[in-house]
Amino acid sequence: GQNIDQPTEMTATEGAIVQINCTYQTSGFNGLFWYQQHAGEAPTFLSYNVLDGLEEKGRFSSFLSRSKGYSYLLLKELQMKDSASYLCAVRVLSNDYKLSFGAGTTVTVRA
Amino acid sequence: DTEVTQTPKHLVMGMTNKKSLKCEQHMGHRAMYWYKQKAKKPPELMFVYSYEKLSINESVPSRFSPECPNSSLLNLHLHALQPEDSALYLCASSQADGNQPQHFGDGTRLSIL
Repeated sequence: GQNIDQPTEMTATEGAIVQINCTYQTSGFNGLFWYQQHAGEAPTFLSYNVLDGLEEKGRFSSFLSRSKGYSYLLLKELQMKDSASYLCAVRVLSNDYKLSFGAGTTVTVRA
Repeated sequence: DTEVTQTPKHLVMGMTNKKSLKCEQHMGHRAMYWYKQKAKKPPELMFVYSYEKLSINESVPSRFSPECPNSSLLNLHLHALQPEDSALYLCASSQADGNQPQHFGDGTRLSIL
């Protein structure tokens, strides 16, 4: 199976930067996804990394180091609407369709 | 609003009832998924259909029965559920290429009395 770890909760101030770390232990790693989920709503796709490096999409960036089994999601210029749960999900070579999710990180943005 | 539509949004049923959850997408995706999500937990995969064929069954109890009538529709038939089955049931779809993200519906919140 996959062992995926994320911090449970993080709090930050509006306008600040927050970095959510995700570490994983898996055989046959084949990609990592980040999703955002507001309470009572569907998860929405944020980013995908399969090669080492940084992917930037506006205020959100995601980084991957395959050798370290490590990824982070960076949220810049935080807004109140960014308060949500952020889910790290790993895909393995043996099964293209199956995502193994971390427990999620609840981010609270304060004014 | 998402591009994956799930009905109903809420469902309350007794343990002896039979009901069905429905999911529809018109993005041309050939992979469709059912997930179960409990409060403050991540989604747990239940079933995957690829090209209308059942590809993955994560050892789900037989009281949950999936069906994929065509490439746009996915159903989950429920029978004799238990109180612990109360959860948010999420449908998702994706391109058949695993590099593509899964798109989730808003879910059906199911309560078993």
